[in-house]
Amino acid sequence: EIVLTQSPGTLSLSPGERATLSCRASQSVSSRYLAWYQQKPGQAPRLLIYEASSRATGIPDRFSGSGSGTDFTLTISRLEPEDFAVYYCQQYGSSPETFGQGTKVGIK
Amino acid sequence: EVQLLESGGGLVQPGGSLRLSCAASGFTFSNFVMTWVRQAPGKGLEWVSSINGRGGSTDYADSVKGRFSISRDNSKNTLYLQMSSLRGEDTAVYYCAKRNFYDILTGYSDYWGQGTLVTVSS
Repeated sequence: EIVLTQSPGTLSLSPGERATLSCRASQSVSSRYLAWYQQKPGQAPRLLIYEASSRATGIPDRFSGSGSGTDFTLTISRLEPEDFAVYYCQQYGSSPETFGQGTKVGIK
Repeated sequence: EVQLLESGGGLVQPGGSLRLSCAASGFTFSNFVMTWVRQAPGKGLEWVSSINGRGGSTDYADSVKGRFSISRDNSKNTLYLQMSSLRGEDTAVYYCAKRNFYDILTGYSDYWGQGTLVTVSS
Protein backbone atom coordinates (compact mmCIF):
# COMPACT_ATOMS: atom_id res chain seq x y z
CA GLU A 1 0.00 0.00 0.00
CA ILE A 2 1.26 3.47 -0.88
CA VAL A 3 1.43 5.77 2.14
CA LEU A 4 0.94 9.48 1.48
CA THR A 5 2.45 11.98 3.91
CA GLN A 6 1.23 15.55 3.74
CA SER A 7 3.12 18.52 5.11
CA PRO A 8 2.81 20.73 6.92
CA GLY A 9 0.00 19.54 9.15
CA THR A 10 -1.22 23.08 9.58
CA LEU A 11 -0.49 26.20 7.58
CA SER A 12 -1.38 29.61 9.04
CA LEU A 13 -1.59 32.30 6.39
CA SER A 14 -3.38 35.54 5.60
CA PRO A 15 -5.76 36.19 2.69
CA GLY A 16 -3.80 37.14 -0.40
CA GLU A 17 -0.78 35.01 0.56
CA ARG A 18 0.51 32.02 -1.37
CA ALA A 19 -0.02 28.52 0.03
CA THR A 20 2.22 25.58 -0.85
CA LEU A 21 1.09 22.13 0.30
CA SER A 22 3.20 19.00 -0.07
CA CYS A 23 2.22 15.36 -0.57
CA ARG A 24 4.97 12.74 -0.52
CA ALA A 25 4.38 9.11 -1.47
CA SER A 26 6.18 6.08 -0.05
CA GLN A 27 6.46 4.66 -3.60
CA SER A 28 6.23 6.18 -7.05
CA VAL A 29 2.65 7.04 -8.06
CA SER A 30 2.08 5.57 -11.50
CA SER A 31 1.04 7.82 -14.36
CA ARG A 32 0.82 10.79 -12.02
CA TYR A 33 -2.49 9.43 -10.73
CA LEU A 34 -2.75 11.88 -7.86
CA ALA A 35 -5.73 14.05 -6.89
CA TRP A 36 -6.31 16.89 -4.45
CA TYR A 37 -9.52 17.61 -2.55
CA GLN A 38 -10.72 20.48 -0.41
CA GLN A 39 -12.97 19.88 2.60
CA LYS A 40 -14.68 22.49 4.74
CA PRO A 41 -16.22 21.70 8.16
CA GLY A 42 -19.45 19.74 7.87
CA GLN A 43 -19.12 19.40 4.10
CA ALA A 44 -18.15 16.66 1.70
CA PRO A 45 -14.78 16.77 -0.03
CA ARG A 46 -14.59 18.68 -3.31
CA LEU A 47 -12.32 17.62 -6.17
CA LEU A 48 -9.76 20.29 -7.07
CA ILE A 49 -7.04 18.57 -9.11
CA TYR A 50 -6.68 15.18 -10.83
CA GLU A 51 -3.77 13.55 -12.68
CA ALA A 52 -1.48 15.73 -10.58
CA SER A 53 -2.06 18.95 -12.51
CA SER A 54 -5.47 18.99 -14.22
CA ARG A 55 -8.02 21.32 -12.65
CA ALA A 56 -11.50 19.92 -12.12
CA THR A 57 -14.53 21.61 -13.62
CA GLY A 58 -15.24 25.02 -12.09
CA ILE A 59 -12.04 25.22 -10.05
CA PRO A 60 -10.42 28.69 -10.13
CA ASP A 61 -7.00 28.99 -11.74
CA ARG A 62 -5.43 30.15 -8.47
CA PHE A 63 -5.31 26.41 -7.65
CA SER A 64 -2.53 24.50 -9.38
CA GLY A 65 -0.96 21.09 -8.96
CA SER A 66 2.45 19.80 -9.90
CA GLY A 67 4.82 16.92 -9.33
CA SER A 68 5.50 13.35 -10.33
CA GLY A 69 6.97 10.17 -8.93
CA THR A 70 6.84 10.54 -5.16
CA ASP A 71 6.62 14.33 -4.69
CA PHE A 72 3.55 16.41 -5.42
CA THR A 73 2.53 19.97 -4.62
CA LEU A 74 -0.73 21.90 -4.46
CA THR A 75 -0.29 25.66 -4.77
CA ILE A 76 -2.92 28.30 -4.06
CA SER A 77 -1.49 31.46 -5.61
CA ARG A 78 -3.50 34.01 -3.62
CA LEU A 79 -5.65 32.81 -0.77
CA GLU A 80 -9.26 33.88 -0.79
CA PRO A 81 -11.37 33.77 2.41
CA GLU A 82 -13.23 30.71 1.10
CA ASP A 83 -9.96 28.76 0.64
CA PHE A 84 -9.39 28.21 4.35
CA ALA A 85 -10.09 24.51 4.72
CA VAL A 86 -8.47 21.08 4.96
CA TYR A 87 -6.79 19.68 1.85
CA TYR A 88 -6.23 15.98 1.11
CA CYS A 89 -4.17 14.27 -1.54
CA GLN A 90 -5.18 10.86 -2.92
CA GLN A 91 -3.26 8.39 -5.05
CA TYR A 92 -5.24 6.15 -7.38
CA GLY A 93 -2.46 4.62 -9.39
CA SER A 94 -2.54 1.38 -7.46
CA SER A 95 -4.95 -0.51 -5.25
CA PRO A 96 -5.71 0.18 -2.52
CA GLU A 97 -6.10 3.83 -3.33
CA THR A 98 -4.99 5.90 -0.36
CA PHE A 99 -5.35 9.40 1.07
CA GLY A 100 -2.93 11.61 2.91
CA GLN A 101 -3.75 12.69 6.45
CA GLY A 102 -4.60 16.25 5.38
CA THR A 103 -3.21 19.77 5.67
CA LYS A 104 -5.29 22.42 7.38
CA VAL A 105 -4.96 25.91 5.93
CA GLY A 106 -5.99 28.30 8.67
CA ILE A 107 -6.30 32.05 8.96
CA LYS A 108 -3.31 33.75 10.56
CA GLU B 1 -26.92 18.69 -11.91
CA VAL B 2 -25.30 15.63 -10.33
CA GLN B 3 -26.83 14.74 -6.98
CA LEU B 4 -25.94 11.94 -4.60
CA LEU B 5 -28.07 11.39 -1.52
CA GLU B 6 -27.02 8.87 1.10
CA SER B 7 -29.36 7.33 3.66
CA GLY B 8 -29.49 4.45 6.10
CA GLY B 9 -26.99 5.58 8.71
CA GLY B 10 -27.66 5.44 12.41
CA LEU B 11 -26.71 3.86 15.72
CA VAL B 12 -25.98 0.13 15.70
CA GLN B 13 -24.54 -2.21 18.30
CA PRO B 14 -21.16 -3.93 17.80
CA GLY B 15 -21.67 -7.05 15.73
CA GLY B 16 -24.77 -5.63 14.11
CA SER B 17 -25.64 -4.89 10.50
CA LEU B 18 -26.72 -1.87 8.51
CA ARG B 19 -27.42 -1.13 4.84
CA LEU B 20 -26.56 2.24 3.36
CA SER B 21 -28.14 3.56 0.18
CA CYS B 22 -27.10 6.30 -2.20
CA ALA B 23 -29.67 7.67 -4.65
CA ALA B 24 -28.09 9.20 -7.73
CA SER B 25 -29.47 11.66 -10.25
CA GLY B 26 -28.29 14.08 -12.91
CA PHE B 27 -26.10 11.63 -14.84
CA THR B 28 -26.28 8.22 -16.52
CA PHE B 29 -25.71 6.14 -13.39
CA SER B 30 -24.90 2.86 -15.14
CA ASN B 31 -22.01 4.44 -17.06
CA PHE B 32 -19.80 5.13 -14.04
CA VAL B 33 -17.88 3.42 -11.29
CA MET B 34 -19.25 4.31 -7.86
CA THR B 35 -17.42 4.24 -4.57
CA TRP B 36 -17.82 4.53 -0.79
CA VAL B 37 -15.34 6.58 1.25
CA ARG B 38 -15.57 7.03 5.01
CA GLN B 39 -14.30 9.53 7.54
CA ALA B 40 -14.08 8.74 11.24
CA PRO B 41 -14.89 11.68 13.55
CA GLY B 42 -12.08 14.23 13.39
CA LYS B 43 -10.01 12.01 11.10
CA GLY B 44 -9.04 11.79 7.45
CA LEU B 45 -10.57 10.04 4.46
CA GLU B 46 -10.47 6.27 3.94
CA TRP B 47 -11.51 4.48 0.76
CA VAL B 48 -13.92 1.62 1.54
CA SER B 49 -15.18 -0.01 -1.66
CA SER B 50 -15.82 0.50 -5.38
CA ILE B 51 -18.02 -1.11 -8.01
CA ASN B 52 -17.93 -0.85 -11.80
CA GLY B 53 -20.77 0.41 -13.94
CA ARG B 54 -22.30 -2.95 -14.68
CA GLY B 55 -21.87 -4.17 -11.11
CA GLY B 56 -19.80 -7.18 -12.03
CA SER B 57 -16.49 -6.02 -10.57
CA THR B 58 -15.89 -4.87 -7.01
CA ASP B 59 -12.99 -4.05 -4.70
CA TYR B 60 -12.71 -3.56 -0.95
CA ALA B 61 -10.31 -2.15 1.59
CA ASP B 62 -8.70 -4.87 3.70
CA SER B 63 -10.31 -3.31 6.80
CA VAL B 64 -13.82 -4.20 5.56
CA LYS B 65 -13.21 -7.21 3.30
CA GLY B 66 -15.50 -10.09 4.20
CA ARG B 67 -17.79 -7.86 6.29
CA PHE B 68 -19.04 -5.25 3.80
CA SER B 69 -20.67 -5.81 0.41
CA ILE B 70 -21.14 -3.17 -2.28
CA SER B 71 -23.85 -3.45 -4.91
CA ARG B 72 -25.89 -1.32 -7.25
CA ASP B 73 -29.33 -1.33 -8.89
CA ASN B 74 -28.96 0.54 -12.17
CA SER B 75 -32.73 0.40 -12.76
CA LYS B 76 -33.18 2.44 -9.58
CA ASN B 77 -30.02 4.57 -9.91
CA THR B 78 -29.03 3.46 -6.43
CA LEU B 79 -25.79 2.33 -4.82
CA TYR B 80 -25.72 0.19 -1.69
CA LEU B 81 -23.31 -0.78 1.04
CA GLN B 82 -24.31 -3.76 3.17
CA MET B 83 -22.32 -3.68 6.40
CA SER B 84 -22.20 -6.56 8.86
CA SER B 85 -20.14 -7.59 11.90
CA LEU B 86 -19.78 -3.90 12.64
CA ARG B 87 -17.05 -2.72 14.99
CA GLY B 88 -16.39 0.50 16.88
CA GLU B 89 -13.72 1.44 14.37
CA ASP B 90 -16.38 1.46 11.64
CA THR B 91 -17.91 4.57 13.22
CA ALA B 92 -17.68 7.25 10.55
CA VAL B 93 -19.47 9.43 8.06
CA TYR B 94 -19.90 7.34 4.92
CA TYR B 95 -19.81 9.20 1.62
CA CYS B 96 -20.83 7.83 -1.73
CA ALA B 97 -18.99 9.30 -4.66
CA LYS B 98 -19.03 9.12 -8.44
CA ARG B 99 -15.96 8.19 -10.43
CA ASN B 100 -15.15 9.37 -13.92
CA PHE B 101 -14.81 5.95 -15.52
CA TYR B 102 -17.02 2.94 -16.35
CA ASP B 103 -14.78 0.01 -15.58
CA ILE B 104 -11.56 1.10 -13.86
CA LEU B 105 -12.17 0.72 -10.14
CA THR B 106 -9.36 2.95 -8.89
CA GLY B 107 -9.78 6.62 -9.65
CA TYR B 108 -10.61 10.07 -8.43
CA SER B 109 -14.10 11.07 -7.31
CA ASP B 110 -15.59 14.05 -9.11
CA TYR B 111 -18.88 14.26 -7.19
CA TRP B 112 -19.66 13.41 -3.57
CA GLY B 113 -22.79 13.07 -1.50
CA GLN B 114 -23.19 14.83 1.85
CA GLY B 115 -22.61 11.65 3.80
CA THR B 116 -24.48 9.56 6.36
CA LEU B 117 -23.23 8.94 9.90
CA VAL B 118 -22.83 5.40 11.17
CA THR B 119 -22.20 5.03 14.89
CA VAL B 120 -21.26 1.62 16.26
CA SER B 121 -21.70 1.58 20.01
CA SER B 122 -23.42 -0.36 22.76
